[in-house]
Amino acid sequence: SQTIHQWPATLVQPVGSPLSLECTVEGTSNPNLYWYRQAAGRGLQLLFYSVGIGQISSEVPQNLSASRPQDRQFILSSKKLLLSDSGFYLCAWSQGRYGYTFGSGTRLTVV
Amino acid sequence: DAKTTQPTSMDCAEGRAANLPCNHSTISGNEYVYWYRQIHSQGPQYIIHGLKNNETNEMASLIITEDRKSSTLILPHATLRDTAVYYCIVRSPNTGNQFYFGTGTSLTVIP
Repeated sequence: SQTIHQWPATLVQPVGSPLSLECTVEGTSNPNLYWYRQAAGRGLQLLFYSVGIGQISSEVPQNLSASRPQDRQFILSSKKLLLSDSGFYLCAWSQGRYGYTFGSGTRLTVV
Repeated sequence: DAKTTQPTSMDCAEGRAANLPCNHSTISGNEYVYWYRQIHSQGPQYIIHGLKNNETNEMASLIITEDRKSSTLILPHATLRDTAVYYCIVRSPNTGNQFYFGTGTSLTVIP
């Protein structure tokens, strides 16, 4: 069966520090992968998606970047975090017309 | 992708049916209606999806009007664990089309 792993679950980082969040999928090949962010009390905002290795599409201009070094690995990064980068970050993979399966999320607090 | 309109919040008594409406008047012919829910501090969970016929699974029923401009998610016997934000999304199943989440309906099941 397919599973999606996302870590860490929580993270507190100072302003100006780098960020690396990792997401991996098991049990499938060539998945579409996604990063979403949810600010406190807000809806989910699509940040990046990838349809293959090295292929990244950005939905909104921001302080973050994404990479897909392997078929089932998706990484969200920042060189210097801002206070506004705080939020709940979710990775997801696509099951075609059956929709998305989401990871358990990372709650990032930038202090 | 077509936009959807949902009430901001709803209450439902425990044990009663919860009927969550969604308007999607600009839906196109190949777009499916998907429902997800997000329990606090967790990733969204897939509930059900449909194209034009009513659908039922172990979690819920989806009723889509004949003109497909609106739909209703029905939780037949709401429990306290069904308290969550429910998202209605319309999307075509083509590869590369993304899920765009609105703010959803916050359902509170009352004991």
